[in-house]
Amino acid sequence: DAGVTQSPTHLIKTRGQQVTLRCSPKSGHDTVSWYQQALGQGPQFIFQYYEEEERQRGNFPDRFSGHQFPNYSSELNVNALLLGDSALYLCASSLRDRNNYGYTFGSGTRLTVV
Amino acid sequence: GESVGLHLPTLSVQEGDNSIINCAYSNSASDYFIWYKQESGKGPQFIIDIRSNMDKRQGQRVTVLLNKTVKHLSLQIAATQPGDSAVYFCAEGVGGYQKVTFGTGTKLQVIP
Repeated sequence: DAGVTQSPTHLIKTRGQQVTLRCSPKSGHDTVSWYQQALGQGPQFIFQYYEEEERQRGNFPDRFSGHQFPNYSSELNVNALLLGDSALYLCASSLRDRNNYGYTFGSGTRLTVV
Repeated sequence: GESVGLHLPTLSVQEGDNSIINCAYSNSASDYFIWYKQESGKGPQFIIDIRSNMDKRQGQRVTVLLNKTVKHLSLQIAATQPGDSAVYFCAEGVGGYQKVTFGTGTKLQVIP
């Protein structure tokens, strides 16, 4: 049973460009959350998708947007990249249930903005 | 893989000793707490969780203690092994299927 799959694993972009990161959730999971982890920091919540809609959002600008597809996979888009967007981007999937906090994380996409 | 522990507090323990990692959480409304382990180049991995109606929970070689009065969480690892070397994060959540908020991590170094 595959866990959470993220692609690509590493990416280098130039300041001002746009980037799309992809995530396939663990089988049986219907909710995808995205986190940004700067070097030496804990993961910071970006947003969460369920039923193809953004359900919650953290303190990130509108340059960060996302999408969830009918098969529950998800994309994270970042426009007008800044040097400060360099980080590890983590996708976590879960099953939406009031009593369930069970996140499964992928290994992340390392984004470097130059 | 990249290092996730460059600026984190570090706990060094001898192999075979017990480790205690502490965490102060921020939201008094949080009703669920989780400990994650993150190895270099990997995403966080679930270790153990505890709900706010409990003050202790035990797993295999790990115990989590919760003190709601002072908003403090700890992770105890018994007989620490080299494979336990990683960065450990506490995280908190409110109300189920909500976002999980991570605390600052602690880097655990096991000395052989």
